[in-house]
Amino acid sequence: EAEVAQSPRYKITEKSQAVAFWCDPISGHATLYWYRQILGQGPELLVQFQDESVVDDSQLPKDRFSAERLKGVDSTLKIQPAELGDSAMYLCASSLGGSIYGYTFGSGTRLTVV
Amino acid sequence: GQQVMQIPQYQHVQEGEDFTTYCNSSTTLSNIQWYKQRPGGHPVFLIQLVKSGEVKKQKRLTFQFGEAKKNSSLHITATQTTDVGTYFCAGPSSGNKLVFGAGTILRVKS
Repeated sequence: EAEVAQSPRYKITEKSQAVAFWCDPISGHATLYWYRQILGQGPELLVQFQDESVVDDSQLPKDRFSAERLKGVDSTLKIQPAELGDSAMYLCASSLGGSIYGYTFGSGTRLTVV
Repeated sequence: GQQVMQIPQYQHVQEGEDFTTYCNSSTTLSNIQWYKQRPGGHPVFLIQLVKSGEVKKQKRLTFQFGEAKKNSSLHITATQTTDVGTYFCAGPSSGNKLVFGAGTILRVKS
């Protein structure tokens, strides 16, 4: 079964440092999402791509977070500088075309900021 | 914006007992999706409901979509230890994205 690849699986960083996460969606999935999940809560959308274009980044803290999907395939989410409150699971998901299809999530990156 | 509420937040059952989680939306939904997240894992898509009043079954799991398409439920018959995890409902919001509920944590005592 096709999977969404994410790396790294775990990341520990000091506050004020930069950190980056990578996601490779299922081949052919045009829509890619980055979600943040705080322990005990549901995933919250950070940014949505349709091919290489950002469709929704209204919940992305743009002063410190950036995301790109340059060739419409894999994607990178960056945080600079990291803050203690950024500690969470960062999940990447892809779908064939938006919310009318089920999402396939990657295994996520568990970020701890110390 | 659209909100999706789930109850209960947590349920601890004896193995063999039934379990139900409920999902309510502040707006009418075009569809609703259910996901399961095992402890330490990531959300995995279970099912999508589209039609008003729709009922779907997957083995011991029964999913329902309300007549008004604003609520949904997931019922598990005779829970097993393999059912442990957090169950999320999710509904589409503006911009073709999913909004997730906070989830119901299920623990099963054997």
